Amino acid sequence: KNQVEQSPQSLIILEGKNCTLQCNYTVSPFSNLRWYKQDTGRGPVSLTIMTFSENTKSNGRYTATLDADTKQSSLHITASQLSDSASYICVVGNAGKSTFGDGTTLTVKP
Amino acid sequence: GAGVSQTPSNKVTEKGKYVELRCDPISGHTALYWYRQSLGQGPEFLIYFQGTGAADDSGLPNDRFFAVRPEGSVSTLKIQRTERGDSAVYLCASSLDRGSTDTQYFGPGTRLTVL
Repeated sequence: KNQVEQSPQSLIILEGKNCTLQCNYTVSPFSNLRWYKQDTGRGPVSLTIMTFSENTKSNGRYTATLDADTKQSSLHITASQLSDSASYICVVGNAGKSTFGDGTTLTVKP
Repeated sequence: GAGVSQTPSNKVTEKGKYVELRCDPISGHTALYWYRQSLGQGPEFLIYFQGTGAADDSGLPNDRFFAVRPEGSVSTLKIQRTERGDSAVYLCASSLDRGSTDTQYFGPGTRLTVL
């Protein structure tokens, strides 16, 4: 069964600190891996997209890594801001159909 | 419009009723996706359209769920004989094509509550 597992389930950090979110997947065959940010009551917004051959992708303060051998990805957030408080969802695509993780809820406190 | 829009934003209905949820994708996007999201969980794939045709409907939970996209733009998700377990946020997304690196742009969702 295709699965995407994210950890931690929730995380609280102070403004200005860095953090790393983890994603492990068992989706096969693999097409791409995406990280989304979802604010409460809103639809997810794409942060990064990586294919099999890419092992890192940055978008501003967000840097995603991918290890296709171990089927692991991470999302690193640098110098966190209050507006980073949201759910971060790892999504693994498979031939047009995607498997979503349940997300990590990040809370950034002043 | 500038983004994906969904109507209504909220829908409250009674068990057994029929509901329709509408999605207006970004103009020119050929791929359209429907997802269902329960509280505290990630979105769950329902159906994917490429143009007017449903390329993959394997995520639809049962035959009470049906979706159409007759002109390759607006899509309607139809739920018959609603059950309390259908209560969730229904998300729609569109992308330019179904390429492996195509970004999916999500709408704000329709929150369905079945009483």
